[in-house]
Amino acid sequence: DIQMTQSPSSLSASVGDRVTITCQASQDIKNYLNWYQKKPGTAPKVLIYGASNLETGVPSRFSGSGSGTHFSFTISSLQPEDFATYYCQQFASLPLTFGGGTKVEIK
Amino acid sequence: EVQLVESGGDLIQPDRSLRLSCAASGFTFDEYAMHWVRQAPGKGLEWVSGINYISHVIGYADSVKGRFTISRDNAKNSLHLQMNSLRAEDTAFYYCARDATSISGNYLDSWGRGTLVSVSS
Repeated sequence: DIQMTQSPSSLSASVGDRVTITCQASQDIKNYLNWYQKKPGTAPKVLIYGASNLETGVPSRFSGSGSGTHFSFTISSLQPEDFATYYCQQFASLPLTFGGGTKVEIK
Repeated sequence: EVQLVESGGDLIQPDRSLRLSCAASGFTFDEYAMHWVRQAPGKGLEWVSGINYISHVIGYADSVKGRFTISRDNAKNSLHLQMNSLRAEDTAFYYCARDATSISGNYLDSWGRGTLVSVSS
């Protein structure tokens, strides 16, 4: 199975801050890496697919980069509605696996 | 508008069975693979199983292999998860999700709000 290691597991930030989360795959997954946002009581929402493609309707302050085994996800200017948990997920091979999540909290 | 609505979650005793359903609308259901993903209380997301558009099973997580069975009914726009021999560690919110295909790879582009399965004696 491909292990996805996400860091940090949590962070505190202020509105307007730039936030970066990293995700490392245990083997080469090319660019088959997606990022999701999860808020309590709501369905997960895809933000970035294929490592760097912004899903339709997602604000441009969200971005992703990387390939192979190292990936990053950035929120350029944190907004109040962005406080949530973020997950990376590989779609290169079965079983599909998620990172452990990064909880973004208000400082 | 794409809608996925899960149902069937319940409080159930260990070793019993439960069948989850996901009703799909707003898109051509038989053109998409579908998946089940779960989230245990206080834990992260875990992929459970997937099935392609013509009912070929994509796979199961090791944690549910041999106990859970995924299926779909394209005529009724529905996805199912038969869960047997349930364990306490199966306690979670279960989400159905649509598999979108792009030139940059697959991803889960639409999700339901989930149904809660609680396994306890």
